[in-house]
Amino acid sequence: KAGVTQTPRYLIKTRGQQVTLSCSPISGHRSVSWYQQTPGQGLQFLFEYFSETQRNKGNFPGRFSGRQFSNSRSEMNVSTLELGDSALYLCASRGGGASSYNEQFFGPGTRLTVL
Amino acid sequence: SQQGEEDPQALSIQEGENATMNCSYKTSINNLQWYRQNSGRGLVHLILIRSNEREKHSGRLRVTLDTSKKSSSLLITASRAADTASYFCATDFRDSWGKFQFGAGTQVVVTP
Repeated sequence: KAGVTQTPRYLIKTRGQQVTLSCSPISGHRSVSWYQQTPGQGLQFLFEYFSETQRNKGNFPGRFSGRQFSNSRSEMNVSTLELGDSALYLCASRGGGASSYNEQFFGPGTRLTVL
Repeated sequence: SQQGEEDPQALSIQEGENATMNCSYKTSINNLQWYRQNSGRGLVHLILIRSNEREKHSGRLRVTLDTSKKSSSLLITASRAADTASYFCATDFRDSWGKFQFGAGTQVVVTP
């Protein structure tokens, strides 16, 4: 079974631009979560999508948005980029239906640098 | 703020020694999970322990959970250089089911 894939792996943008990151979950997984990882704040939960609906949301500004398609692939968008958005963005998929009693499988991440 | 807090922040041991790290949290949980991350790459799931469980084993890993103290510990026995990584606990809270909160992590260095 193929693992979680994220594209692109590396991205350099400038302040004010917007960016879209993509995540393909493990086949059959309907839950996709996004996390931001920075040295200062650690791993922070952005949001979770399940069957094309946002089920959970973290404490991030509205510039951070996401969506999930019918094939469970998910995209995350960040508009009006700020220097502080530089981070490793991790996507995780989870199977087993709506239950949280299942491990999350993480992708390799997208390293975003904002200049 | 991060509700899962690991202790210690860093740990340096020699091969063959045991490594123990702790995780504390503040509110009731559904389950608690431990993950490993190598050098800023993706996380790898190690063990999930449910709120009604007290101990779980997986190979050289042992996880305990004390819900009365709101804490968990991860023990790695007979450590190897390949165990060098950052270890995170992730909590799934009862009032925010599915919204996992990660701690700051414990950085473990195992020297040959």
